[in-house]
Amino acid sequence: KAGVTQTPRYLIKTRGQQVTLSCSPISGHRSVSWYQQTPGQGLQFLFEYFSETQRNKGNFPGRFSGRQFSNSRSEMNVSTLELGDSALYLCASSPRTGSQEQFFGPGTRLTVL
Amino acid sequence: AQKITQTQPGMFVQEKEAVTLDCTYDTSDQSYGLFWYKQPSSGEMIFLIYQGSYDEQNATEGRYSLNFQKARKSANLVISASQLGDSAMYFCAMREGWSGGGADGLTFGKGTHLIIQP
Repeated sequence: KAGVTQTPRYLIKTRGQQVTLSCSPISGHRSVSWYQQTPGQGLQFLFEYFSETQRNKGNFPGRFSGRQFSNSRSEMNVSTLELGDSALYLCASSPRTGSQEQFFGPGTRLTVL
Repeated sequence: AQKITQTQPGMFVQEKEAVTLDCTYDTSDQSYGLFWYKQPSSGEMIFLIYQGSYDEQNATEGRYSLNFQKARKSANLVISASQLGDSAMYFCAMREGWSGGGADGLTFGKGTHLIIQP
């Protein structure tokens, strides 16, 4: 069974631009969660989607948004990029919301210049 | 207050020795889950072991075991017979609000950088 895939793996943007990251969960998994990892703040939960609905949201500004499609693939969008948005963005999938295990993808490394 | 505390920023351990990575947590929920993840330099988070708050037995997965002391709110990871490939960042995480209908996202500690020396 294929694992969680994230595209692109690396991205360079400039301040003020917007970016869309994509995550394809493991086949059959319906829950997708997003996390931001930075050296200063560590790993922080962004949001979780299940059956195309946002179930949980972390403490991030409204510039961070996401959605989930009927095939469970998820996208995360960051508008008006700031230098502090440079981070590794990790996506995790699980069979259902509240599932014990979350399987992480390789991440997208975003650099904002 | 931090919800997950990992007090060892870095550790050096000799190959084949056992190693204990410390983790304490803070929650007022009765139902929660505790996790350990390994993150090699490649960046991918690898699930190692899980312990539910109602589990009476300590979780074990191969060379990994979780020393769960609920009253002390401690969930230490023990790696037996360490190997060079165990060198990585290790994160303790907690998932609260586990009441069947849903749960919060994972809350992670700052991590411990483990280096296994030959």
